[in-house]
Amino acid sequence: EIVMTQSPATLSVSPGERATLSCRASQSISSNLAWYQQKPGQAPRLLIYGASTRATGIPARFSGSGSGAEFTLTIGSLQSEDFAVYYCQQYGAWPPAWTFGQGTKVEIK
Amino acid sequence: EVQLVESGGGLVKPGGSQRLSCAASGFSFSSYSMNWVRQAPGKGLEWVSSISTTGSFIYYADSVKGRFTISRDNAKNSLYLQMNSLRAEDTAVYYCAREPSGSYYDYWGQGTLVTVSS
Repeated sequence: EIVMTQSPATLSVSPGERATLSCRASQSISSNLAWYQQKPGQAPRLLIYGASTRATGIPARFSGSGSGAEFTLTIGSLQSEDFAVYYCQQYGAWPPAWTFGQGTKVEIK
Repeated sequence: EVQLVESGGGLVKPGGSQRLSCAASGFSFSSYSMNWVRQAPGKGLEWVSSISTTGSFIYYADSVKGRFTISRDNAKNSLYLQMNSLRAEDTAVYYCAREPSGSYYDYWGQGTLVTVSS
């Protein structure tokens, strides 16, 4: 099983600042990585797929980068609605076994 | 508009069974693989099971293999999860999610809570 490790567990950021979240895979997954945002009481929402492609309707302040085993989600100029938990997910394994990171909570500093 | 609506959650005793449903609308259901993903209270996301467009390919997480059965009815635009031999650790919100073939999840339902407790 491919293990996904996110860091940090919690990130305290002031509104308007940039946030950088990391995700590491236990083996290479090429660019088969997605990022999701989840707010309390809501379902996850797809932000990024293919490591760097924004999903439909996602603001440009969200950007993804990386390939292989190291990935980054950057949120430029945090807005109030961006405070949430963010999960990375790999989908490159065979046989298929999608795995998620444990999440990074972005909180207001 | 793509919509996924789960139902069937509730309180069930350990060792019991429950069947979850997910009603899909707003897209060609038969063209997409579908998945179940769960989230225990206060915890992260865990993939549970995946089914291909025609049901020919089915995969399960080790944690549910042999106990859960995923199925779909393309004529009814519906996804199902039959859960047997339920354990306390199966307590979670269960989400259905649309998967553009072998990849990420682009739409999620709002989830249904399954609580396994005596």
